[in-house]
Amino acid sequence: DGGITQSPKYLFRKEGQNVTLSCEQNLNHDAMYWYRQDPGQGLRLIYYSQIVNDFQKGDIAEGYSVSREKKESFPLTVTSAQKNPTAFYLCASSISGLNYGYTFGSGTRLTVV
Amino acid sequence: SQKIEQNSEALNIQEGKTATLTCNYTNYSPAYLQWYRQDPGRGPVFLLLIRENEKEKRKERLKVTFDTTLKQSLFHITASQPADSATYLCAALYGQNFVFGPGTRLSVLP
Repeated sequence: DGGITQSPKYLFRKEGQNVTLSCEQNLNHDAMYWYRQDPGQGLRLIYYSQIVNDFQKGDIAEGYSVSREKKESFPLTVTSAQKNPTAFYLCASSISGLNYGYTFGSGTRLTVV
Repeated sequence: SQKIEQNSEALNIQEGKTATLTCNYTNYSPAYLQWYRQDPGRGPVFLLLIRENEKEKRKERLKVTFDTTLKQSLFHITASQPADSATYLCAALYGQNFVFGPGTRLSVLP
């Protein structure tokens, strides 16, 4: 079955530590996205990529970094510069073009301990 | 910046009734509106997309409307079932990316 796989499902980060969230898709989608979800708020866009080896900052990119070396993979690193990283992180992909919905992964819940 | 508003209060309805959820946007009309369903601890699932020049879209028991005068989209679930209980998100396209609302939690009571 085609889909998006996010791992791990739960992640704990110590203060000052960088952590990387994995996102892999086998849908052959060109575009991939990272969102952050906090209680009572809409999903907020962190980074997105329309094509391999290219990515753009979203609304809340500070403290995060990404790479897009392969079409299937779009990992997100939460750096120590991100002061409030505890949240639910969602990866999504879509066919190029705006007529299509996004396919989301099942999310990674990151907690600072 | 554009803002998408959804009723933050949970909506409770009786099984078999029609659920109606509201999505309001500010300022400019988006080119597209999408609706998603999200279950607790899971990622959203795409349901429907409606374009600015479309008044209404249907899919099985689901219906979405887009009123550019009221700056509003309505999402209807007819003959609701307890399995329809979830949070429903509205997303509007501005520029290249979608702006998501906070979602409305729907509970369908048996």
